[in-house]
Amino acid sequence: GNSVTQMEGPVTLSEEAFLTINCTYTATGYPSLFWYVQYPGEGLQLLLKATKADDKGSNKGFEATYRKETTSFHLEKGSVQVSDSAVYFCALTLKAAGNKLTFGGGTRVLVKP
Amino acid sequence: KAGVTQTPRYLIKTRGQQVTLSCSPISGHRSVSWYQQTPGQGLQFLFEYFSETQRNKGNFPGRFSGRQFSNSRSEMNVSTLELGDSALYLCASSLGGTASGEPQHFGDGTRLSIL
Repeated sequence: GNSVTQMEGPVTLSEEAFLTINCTYTATGYPSLFWYVQYPGEGLQLLLKATKADDKGSNKGFEATYRKETTSFHLEKGSVQVSDSAVYFCALTLKAAGNKLTFGGGTRVLVKP
Repeated sequence: KAGVTQTPRYLIKTRGQQVTLSCSPISGHRSVSWYQQTPGQGLQFLFEYFSETQRNKGNFPGRFSGRQFSNSRSEMNVSTLELGDSALYLCASSLGGTASGEPQHFGDGTRLSIL
């Protein structure tokens, strides 16, 4: 079946540090890939997406590149802020499965001032 | 533009009861999906409704059901509640087309606690 694996947290960083969250996937077909972020007490917000190989999604200083050869979609940010503290979810959809999102387990990120 | 609205935000029930959760999608969105979020199992897909029809279903028992109305609003019902049903239930809406990578927009969820 389809699945998403992401690094376990928590990831603790100092402000202005570089952030990487690894995400790999297994899918039958060519998925679309997403990163969602969840702040405490809230639902999920779409952070960025990529729909085909070598696409780069970017938003709010975050970037991720769809790597078909390594089945990966790692999230990066060059300089994190305290306000980036949240849980980050990598997810995929497959056209054959409609809008169903398959999520990774989530990675909690804590940025300290 | 109003976002996805879920009501109520919090619910406390006891085992054996039933519960109905409501979701109002973004205006113009015809697809509504439901997810269960728990610390142990993470985010799991329950079902998706499009134009009042269930289009996709996850691996949950029949106690979990849903429906969608002509205005795209959706309800989710859980009968014979069990302790393990305690979770954050998230609703997501999208236009519902077949284009790849169509983003889904989530509500803030309903936190259900079973005593």
